[in-house]
Amino acid sequence: DTAVSQTPKYLVTQMGNDKSIKCEQNLGHDTMYWYKQDSKKFLKIMFSYNNKELIINETVPNRFSPKSPDKAHLNLHINSLELGDSAVYFCASSQGGRRIKAEAFFGQGTRLTVV
Amino acid sequence: AQSVSQHNHHVILSEAASLELGCNYSYGGTVNLFWYVQYPGQHLQLLLKYFSGDPLVKGIKGFEAEFIKSKFSFNLRKPSVQWSDTAEYFCAVRRMTTDSWGKLQFGAGTQVVVTP
Repeated sequence: DTAVSQTPKYLVTQMGNDKSIKCEQNLGHDTMYWYKQDSKKFLKIMFSYNNKELIINETVPNRFSPKSPDKAHLNLHINSLELGDSAVYFCASSQGGRRIKAEAFFGQGTRLTVV
Repeated sequence: AQSVSQHNHHVILSEAASLELGCNYSYGGTVNLFWYVQYPGQHLQLLLKYFSGDPLVKGIKGFEAEFIKSKFSFNLRKPSVQWSDTAEYFCAVRRMTTDSWGKLQFGAGTQVVVTP
């Protein structure tokens, strides 16, 4: 029933490791996003995909590589994890056409802790 | 650069008190406006949204917001808060441009604590 689901919910890993976070939405939306929420709760967009095509890349380090196998899935792979990558990562989806009025629906978040 | 400003970072109030959270944005074009709430340990949930029309919008849980175009503001209000309203509140703006693709620009958030 969950509209936007992410896995895992918690991820603790060591510096230098590579990890992935998965996201799926069953709302039929054509646009998906990754947002990062830092320790001060500030939310900032990282990436957006529309119909499997990357359309927004907000100057995120290239250690972060999103992949969208289809428009219902958007995964985030992170290479060579650093302490500063510790944050909560939220996946979201919306009907994201350029001028379509629509809200975004968010997943539960993945709390990544790099030690 | 476009920005979204929330006036208060931290608000503490008693149950039954009235709540008003300020939000201003700097983009001059057409926007969609949102308030999201994040309860402790949970994901963001939409409280209310403004797309067009009546500038006074009503959301869930007794919240409402008023869009004042001339002031670039979208303030959130609730006449009487409950302890369960303790949460982080985020104002968000979506620019209606050809290159924004639904991207949301968030304010820094306001932590609201309601005491019994």
